[in-house]
Amino acid sequence: DTGVSQNPRHKITKRGQNVTFRCDPISEHNRLYWYRQTLGQGPEFLTYFQNEAQLEKSRLLSDRFSAERPKGSFSTLEIQRTEQGDSAMYLCASSARGGSYNEQFFGPGTRLTVL
Amino acid sequence: AQSVTQLGSHVSVSEGALVLLRCNYSSSVPPYLFWYVQYPNQGLQLLLKYTSAATLVKGINGFEAEFKKSETSFHLTKPSAHMSDAAEYFCAVSPNYGGATNKLIFGTGTLLAVQP
Repeated sequence: DTGVSQNPRHKITKRGQNVTFRCDPISEHNRLYWYRQTLGQGPEFLTYFQNEAQLEKSRLLSDRFSAERPKGSFSTLEIQRTEQGDSAMYLCASSARGGSYNEQFFGPGTRLTVL
Repeated sequence: AQSVTQLGSHVSVSEGALVLLRCNYSSSVPPYLFWYVQYPNQGLQLLLKYTSAATLVKGINGFEAEFKKSETSFHLTKPSAHMSDAAEYFCAVSPNYGGATNKLIFGTGTLLAVQP
């Protein structure tokens, strides 16, 4: 069990550039979540996948943000035309199918700094 | 809409003292409740969860929490603090109804400092 992995761990970019982050969930977890955490705040939900289907998107996910999970395994989160307000920690989590509760396992996060 | 309120953004205790971190939730139906811990520059680790079974929940590292429906609270406690407990703690709620995506709604966190 290698846990949830995220790459890169850190990304520094200039305003206006595009960035892409990758999340590899725990093997056979069919649910995958993206959250954003700004300094001094708790994580905020961005979007949710069940297998390859994106089933919910937060209003926080503007048109510049897009997420995919093409084969129901890894997921990517792309931010186009980055702004300084996008600077945050982006967390990915996965959980198993079924069960009566939702135990999510988190990755270490990708810290984005937009200059 | 569901929400979580964590009272006290910073809590400082002495090593060996009782730890009490407060969490109140708002939900029209009893939700699932969680406590997560986050160490610097790391992701979140689940401490414990309430899933409508026993109201007193025991977690890892000696932590426990009690679900009190009448008070809409889910406070986290530990009888004796260790230096290694210094971290940020997040309370979270998740919808408990059919068809829910089970997304987590987090509080703003409580930073726990442990003094020697």
